[in-house]
Amino acid sequence: GESVGLHLPTLSVQEGDNSIINCAYSNSASDYFIWYKQESGKGPQFIIDIRSNMDKRQGQRVTVLLNKTVKHLSLQIAATQPGDSAVYFCAEFSQGGSEKLVFGKGMKLTVNP
Amino acid sequence: DTAVSQTPKYLVTQMGNDKSIKCEQNLGHDTMYWYKQDSKKFLKIMFSYNNKELIINETVPNRFSPKSPDKAHLNLHINSLELGDSAVYFCASSTAGAGTEAFFGQGTRLTVV
Repeated sequence: GESVGLHLPTLSVQEGDNSIINCAYSNSASDYFIWYKQESGKGPQFIIDIRSNMDKRQGQRVTVLLNKTVKHLSLQIAATQPGDSAVYFCAEFSQGGSEKLVFGKGMKLTVNP
Repeated sequence: DTAVSQTPKYLVTQMGNDKSIKCEQNLGHDTMYWYKQDSKKFLKIMFSYNNKELIINETVPNRFSPKSPDKAHLNLHINSLELGDSAVYFCASSTAGAGTEAFFGQGTRLTVV
């Protein structure tokens, strides 16, 4: 199940299930989006990206969906494995104004064996 | 071969001290960043440098002074450390403009006591 609140939102899934992590981004002018994975004690690591002229992109076991109408991004992980346990961040980049990568709040994914 | 390396990994110091964190990237990138991650895992950009020039300064207290001696290095110096400065600081780099992924270092956990 998923929980939100004052603490880092968490999502617990069983090994082998598919996981969906959602993200609402803030800037309608953002034209590039990245999903990062951060394991304990490490820096964020690139998973997959998507540009605003696309609505879906697939990688190995991961799919990113972009809905610009509602400013929503999702990361789907197929056949989730214990090694997928980490904190996941979406990040948005806008070429207009100050060009910087802005991170969302993060979602902690726990995969139960 | 570490792409983005920062030292030290851990730093414990007393309030009022001055400390530095070093960052180096061997990716040939033009742009480097400092991010701060708080206890809730929220990642916030502090500074961005492009080819040794300051591009972004996100209203960070002037006790924080980044220095870029060349485009492969971006160091962070912090004066008069305060308890609230305790966090994990991440250095990152990317190619310039156009929205590309940022590569992160492993982080420096700063604890001010």
